[in-house]
Amino acid sequence: EDKVVQSPLSLVVHEGDTVTLNCSYEVTNFRSLLWYKQEKKAPTFLFMLTSSGIEKKSGRLSSILDKKELSSILNITATQTGDSAIYLCAVENVGAQKLVFGQGTRLTINP
Amino acid sequence: GAVVSQHPSRVICKSGTSVKIECRSLDFQATTMFWYRQFPKQSLMLMATSNEGSKATYEQGVEKDKFLINHASLTLSTLTVTSAHPEDSSFYICSAPRGPYSWGETQYFGPGTRLLVL
Repeated sequence: EDKVVQSPLSLVVHEGDTVTLNCSYEVTNFRSLLWYKQEKKAPTFLFMLTSSGIEKKSGRLSSILDKKELSSILNITATQTGDSAIYLCAVENVGAQKLVFGQGTRLTINP
Repeated sequence: GAVVSQHPSRVICKSGTSVKIECRSLDFQATTMFWYRQFPKQSLMLMATSNEGSKATYEQGVEKDKFLINHASLTLSTLTVTSAHPEDSSFYICSAPRGPYSWGETQYFGPGTRLLVL
């Protein structure tokens, strides 16, 4: 059974800190790993990773995939209160053509 | 702007009634749509895959007779929660992949429907 595990489940930091969120997976026929940010409603897409070792970057957010370790990290530097959200990691399986989500990391940035 | 819409955004109903939730792709056709359920402080759990022109595929543990899915057209899928009970109270989200290949990057989520069963 495909499985995605995120850690930590909850994280509280102060504005300006840097955070690293983790995602590990077990999946057959891996296609891609995705990161989403969810505030109050629907998740919004952040990154899609398919190749190991290639960092994707968007502003203060960056992410990288390690296919050997079956994991990915999401980094957020110089955090702001607007970064407070649930961050979801999902894996796309070629065969099943669906996304399997991790439990999510609830990130809280205090001013 | 939004490319997938859901209606209603919020619904409160009495126990035993049925509730229909609509998911529409706004400017593209979606032969497949996905229905998720999210309980408070938990992640998205895939309930079923809605297929246009054929039966939905349900995930293990999801009762197909309770959660009826109808993919009526290439832009509309409906989820009906039949004989709803308080334990069905949850946040229901649909999604639709826009591209034929990488379903992850082009998967658009609806804004969700919050269901409260009294």
